[in-house]
Amino acid sequence: DSGVTQTPKHLITATGQRVTLRCSPRSGDLSVYWYQQSLDQGLQFLIQYYNGEERAKGNILERFSAQQFPDLHSELNLSSLELGDSALYFCASSPRGGDFAEAFFGQGTRLTVV
Amino acid sequence: GDSVTQMEGPVTLSEEAFLTINCTYTATGYPSLFWYVQYPGEGLQLLLKATKADDKGSNKGFEATYRKETTSFHLEKGSVQVSDSAVYFCALSDNGGATNKLIFGTGTLLAVQP
Repeated sequence: DSGVTQTPKHLITATGQRVTLRCSPRSGDLSVYWYQQSLDQGLQFLIQYYNGEERAKGNILERFSAQQFPDLHSELNLSSLELGDSALYFCASSPRGGDFAEAFFGQGTRLTVV
Repeated sequence: GDSVTQMEGPVTLSEEAFLTINCTYTATGYPSLFWYVQYPGEGLQLLLKATKADDKGSNKGFEATYRKETTSFHLEKGSVQVSDSAVYFCALSDNGGATNKLIFGTGTLLAVQP
């Protein structure tokens, strides 16, 4: 158990809809990262938050957004969903944001868009 | 930009065989290097890491040495078990930058047969 909790584990929704994925980092970790894992793109970094502020952006679509709350949990919002958004979405956390620190991953949310 | 290249899978071995999974990287700075493992239906788990040239990471019988001259971080194990069947990801993290997001290779599926 990595200590990172993601909910829900599975999500099935229709095209055009909006969903919210939730992540609770390990106790004390300030950084949260979101990754998308799909068959064609592999593991892609989406976005990082550090202590409530956006720190880095990767290959995140404009239809996607995220935030980190004062209690350090994070949410990834996906809107106007398309079939191609079907993927496994991972959250990871680490103690700090800028120096070396290993990341601990949650078990992921499997999103299926039908 | 920074990138990681892994050998294509799947790799199929018999139990007790020797394992090598090749990984090379491209980075402008001095990255930290990682191997993560993903068991079926689970999230990513850190297997081992190395933070500077010539460091050797090791865990559960797996080893990898950070080779700056060949920009490589190959994963090895002397005697694999059926329980090692999983997808293995090589990754790098930019040290000292504004973020330590991970850049992953495409993953290598290892199947160990009894």
